[in-house]
Amino acid sequence: GEDVEQSLFLSVREGDSSVINCTYTDSSSTYLYWYKQEPGAGLQLLTYIFSNMDMKQDQRLTVLLNKKDKHLSLRIADTQTGDSAIYFCAEGGATNKLIFGTGTLLAVQP
Amino acid sequence: EPEVTQTPSHQVTQMGQEVILRCVPISNHLYFYWYRQILGQKVEFLVSFYNNEISEKSEIFDDQFSVERPDGSNFTLKIRSTKLEDSAMYFCASSEVGPRSSYNSPLHFGNGTRLTVT
Repeated sequence: GEDVEQSLFLSVREGDSSVINCTYTDSSSTYLYWYKQEPGAGLQLLTYIFSNMDMKQDQRLTVLLNKKDKHLSLRIADTQTGDSAIYFCAEGGATNKLIFGTGTLLAVQP
Repeated sequence: EPEVTQTPSHQVTQMGQEVILRCVPISNHLYFYWYRQILGQKVEFLVSFYNNEISEKSEIFDDQFSVERPDGSNFTLKIRSTKLEDSAMYFCASSEVGPRSSYNSPLHFGNGTRLTVT
């Protein structure tokens, strides 16, 4: 079945760039999403990319999609302590039944 | 910015009891969803709902579960007879349009209800 994988943990220093990676298996994915979850909070939609795009930039966030390798990444420029959270990659195909990754815990050191 | 709201934030119940988790989706959204996250595991799809009926459900969504839109604003998930393994964070989500529309309408999630079954 469909699967989405992410590394579990990433630690960066404040001001550095963070890159969170994700791989997925469903070649029919239409949209790929990044959600952010802060402690005790819900899933906040950060950004998403359509599967026929290679890149999407939104302020400090850059999403890169390599459809051939089924690899998605989220780059956060100038990472701040407020960016510390769990980041979930999710893929959606013909339905809105999203398949989520395990989440990557981003720890930003001051 | 409009948001999905869920109540309560935390519910503790005894095994075998019925629980109802409540959600108020974003007002102009037409598609509603429930997802859950067991501690330490992935967020999993439970059910999607449109036009007062279930559009799709997962294997998890068995006869113990039901959903309802009792009025124009609420969307509920009922678990008839809770089991220990139902303990999880339950997320409600909504989207403006459905997956087969001509443009994407991403899912917006609520803050979740943490259900603890003892």
